[in-house]
Amino acid sequence: QVQLVESGGGLVKPGGSLRLSCAASGFTFSDYYMSWIRQAPGKGLEWVSYISSSGSTIYYADSVKGRFTISRDNAKNSLYLQMNSLRAEDTAVYYCAREPNIVVVTATFDYWGQGTLVTVSS
Amino acid sequence: QSALTQPASVSGSPGQSITISCTGTSSDVGGYNYVSWYQQHPGKAPKLMIYEVSNRPSGVPDRFSGSKSGNTASLTISGLQAEDEADYYCSSYTSSSPVVFGGGTKLTVL
Repeated sequence: QVQLVESGGGLVKPGGSLRLSCAASGFTFSDYYMSWIRQAPGKGLEWVSYISSSGSTIYYADSVKGRFTISRDNAKNSLYLQMNSLRAEDTAVYYCAREPNIVVVTATFDYWGQGTLVTVSS
Repeated sequence: QSALTQPASVSGSPGQSITISCTGTSSDVGGYNYVSWYQQHPGKAPKLMIYEVSNRPSGVPDRFSGSKSGNTASLTISGLQAEDEADYYCSSYTSSSPVVFGGGTKLTVL
């Protein structure tokens, strides 16, 4: 069965950095686009970043462009999010999610991890 | 990219039907048939309920249906059940982003 397990969240000071990981299993990870999506406490969902199956195509939300970097290691079935220059407004649960269409981006997410909480506070 | 517009809350009694709207623009909802709906219970990850406007993933009850007219997509839940009480989010492919979510709708089953 498909499983996505995030890790790496925690408490970090404003201006600090954090690296999130997402371990995938139960499917051929290298075939699928993957995304990071976040949810601030008590708020709605916000898409953060997309990466193609090979890693050659990447998209970012304007709110994180220039500060966050998405990457993947298909040999390790893992997705990453390097977060730099963190701000209080980056505080959220971060989910990794799979795009089910392996041909085109459809902005659909059929499997989600359980999320990892990132808190940015002094 | 502005979020898609959803009502903050809707409610219905068990057995009734409710509809949640999701309004965007011709650059997202109106321009592509890539509208999805997600159900989220408190403390849980979102679950895909509808994709590509009106398709249900395996395992989602046929009480859940989706449609679209112009720049507005809709999720209809018929035969409302207590376990349907949750937050619901729409999303769409966009020409600029490529993803935009709605602000979410809290469904209360009375």
